[in-house]
Amino acid sequence: SQKIEQNSEALNIQEGKTATLTCNYTNYSPAYLQWYRQDPGRGPVFLLLIRENEKEKRKERLKVTFDTTLKQSLFHITASQPADSATYLCALDVSGAGSYQLTFGKGTKLSVIP
Amino acid sequence: DTAVSQTPKYLVTQMGNDKSIKCEQNLGHDTMYWYKQDSKKFLKIMFSYNNKELIINETVPNRFSPKSPDKAHLNLHINSLELGDSAVYFCASSQGMTSEKLFFGSGTQLSVL
Repeated sequence: SQKIEQNSEALNIQEGKTATLTCNYTNYSPAYLQWYRQDPGRGPVFLLLIRENEKEKRKERLKVTFDTTLKQSLFHITASQPADSATYLCALDVSGAGSYQLTFGKGTKLSVIP
Repeated sequence: DTAVSQTPKYLVTQMGNDKSIKCEQNLGHDTMYWYKQDSKKFLKIMFSYNNKELIINETVPNRFSPKSPDKAHLNLHINSLELGDSAVYFCASSQGMTSEKLFFGSGTQLSVL
């Protein structure tokens, strides 16, 4: 069956360190992969999208990599801050590009400890 | 201005009732969605809809039905509510005909007693 797995439910990290979150998928060949942030009581907020022909994408302190051979994306937050504490979700369109079936992983709850 | 707004934010109702959740987006987007987030925080797609096509997740009971009076609105109607329908429901929208970069509403917490 098709799966999207985020490596851990929770990740604790010291302020200032780099947080690395993992998203693995099976049985898909996505045209792109997305990362979202969700704070308690709020809807997910889009962070980054990386396409299958891109190896890496950056936005300020965020970096995403996409390895279509390994079927894996890594999401990095450098110089992490307590304000980065949230749940981070990866998402794939499981029906292929051009459709609208964005499916989310279960998320990793990141806690940045001062 | 809120980009994707849903009402109500909280909805408490009895089993067997019929209820609706409204969603409006002012982004000019072509595609709208409904997602359900259960108690384990797993976000599952229910429907996606644009002016050409409604795609229904096969696991969604037919008690749930989306209604779109126009491109900016996608309301969710739920008939004969059950205890298991208790969850947070999120509306979202995206530009064009792809699911790139979804904008989410703040959610409606539905509690069925």
